[in-house]
Amino acid sequence: ETGVTQTPRHLVMGMTNKKSLKCEQHLGHNAMYWYKQSAKKPLELMFVYSLEERVENNSVPSRFSPECPNSSHLFLHLHTLQPEDSALYLCASSQGDRNNSPLHFGNGTRLTVT
Amino acid sequence: GQNIDQPTEMTATEGAIVQINCTYQTSGFNGLFWYQQHAGEAPTFLSYNVLDGLEEKGRFSSFLSRSKGYSYLLLKELQMKDSASYLCAVRGDDYKLSFGAGTTVTVRA
Repeated sequence: ETGVTQTPRHLVMGMTNKKSLKCEQHLGHNAMYWYKQSAKKPLELMFVYSLEERVENNSVPSRFSPECPNSSHLFLHLHTLQPEDSALYLCASSQGDRNNSPLHFGNGTRLTVT
Repeated sequence: GQNIDQPTEMTATEGAIVQINCTYQTSGFNGLFWYQQHAGEAPTFLSYNVLDGLEEKGRFSSFLSRSKGYSYLLLKELQMKDSASYLCAVRGDDYKLSFGAGTTVTVRA
């Protein structure tokens, strides 16, 4: 139990589908993140929310749309994805104003785009 | 940009010691983190270094040299459950964490 819960664990979708990934943190943190993890590559930061305000959008294509309704919940809305978007999508949270605050990750959603 | 290098794979025997090196070139430095990630699971926090020297936590130790842009994670008395990927991450002056590609450690009986 990491304190960060992601659903679903696995998702298969066609290129014309619309789906959403959900993340919830129970740690009282004030910052939340979406990362993409592809095989043999470094984790890629996609979005950062601090105090529910988006502070980072790392040149992510518009087919990925984040939403942070409150400090405990984070969504990633997906539409018209490409096969190269298949990856593990990790949500994380931290206490954003402390340098030594580590990221706490969820177990991720394994996404396959067909 | 940020550049973080670590070996792709390492293999060691149960009970042995393994040292995973990480070198970094980043814009500023506000700390270095090590994470462990088992297959299909979340990365979990192992250690944090911001000052030069060695931090010890049980069987795991982490070392930092800021002048050399270098860190290592030392795993002692290896156990089968230590087979995992180990991620080095650096917080730069933008306060974002940049990750290396990870080192897969395989522990053999």
